[in-house]
Amino acid sequence: QSALTQPPSASGSPGQSVTISCTGTSSDVGGYNYVSWYQQHPGKAPKFMIYEVSKRPSGVPDRFSGSKSGNTASLTVSGLQAEDEADYYCNSYAGSNNYVFGTGTKVTVL
Amino acid sequence: EVQLLESGGGLVQPGGSLRLSCAASGFTFSSYAMNWVRQAPGKGLEWVSSISGGGITTNYAESVKGRFTISRDNSKNTLYLQMNSLRAEDTAVYYCAKKIGGSYGLDYWGQGTLVTVSS
Repeated sequence: QSALTQPPSASGSPGQSVTISCTGTSSDVGGYNYVSWYQQHPGKAPKFMIYEVSKRPSGVPDRFSGSKSGNTASLTVSGLQAEDEADYYCNSYAGSNNYVFGTGTKVTVL
Repeated sequence: EVQLLESGGGLVQPGGSLRLSCAASGFTFSSYAMNWVRQAPGKGLEWVSSISGGGITTNYAESVKGRFTISRDNSKNTLYLQMNSLRAEDTAVYYCAKKIGGSYGLDYWGQGTLVTVSS
């Protein structure tokens, strides 16, 4: 199972929006509505941000939103804040209780 | 409060073995599938293995199949990862993570334990 493809980096100024793409195949992203997103600050464990493409767990700000079209999922962070600077990883169910992560995107708040 | 605490990491020689543990608390452990995810130094996340709540169904990434074994002891609320025939490329921080109920996604993660495979 190959890693999902994400851009290495993305950036935006405070208050702006940034969108991160996550491209897979019909065997993972395109085949299931089970895309999740994780935020990871340096030296910390990943944090659960989005599941089932667009649902937010309790406590995650509504500035974070997710979507999917075909084999590509996206995470949008609106109203960027300094604390949003982190690495972001997508993940998709890939059938038979297997998962695949994305390559990761470093978001910089300018 | 859900807590996951990994232990058992350390330095091991290539070809050696190591067993990781993950002590869980704050939820009904036996009701949830659990996973191991690893992250090599400076690299991205890689899913390693999953196990169903009852421990019957297990799954592995191709990169560890045949070398790693996931298991759980629901009486002790503990998840394990037995790692054999370790290679340099297995060097990583290993996280245990709880699967969200009724869907797919990993909603709680431990702090990770570092495994270094080197001579």
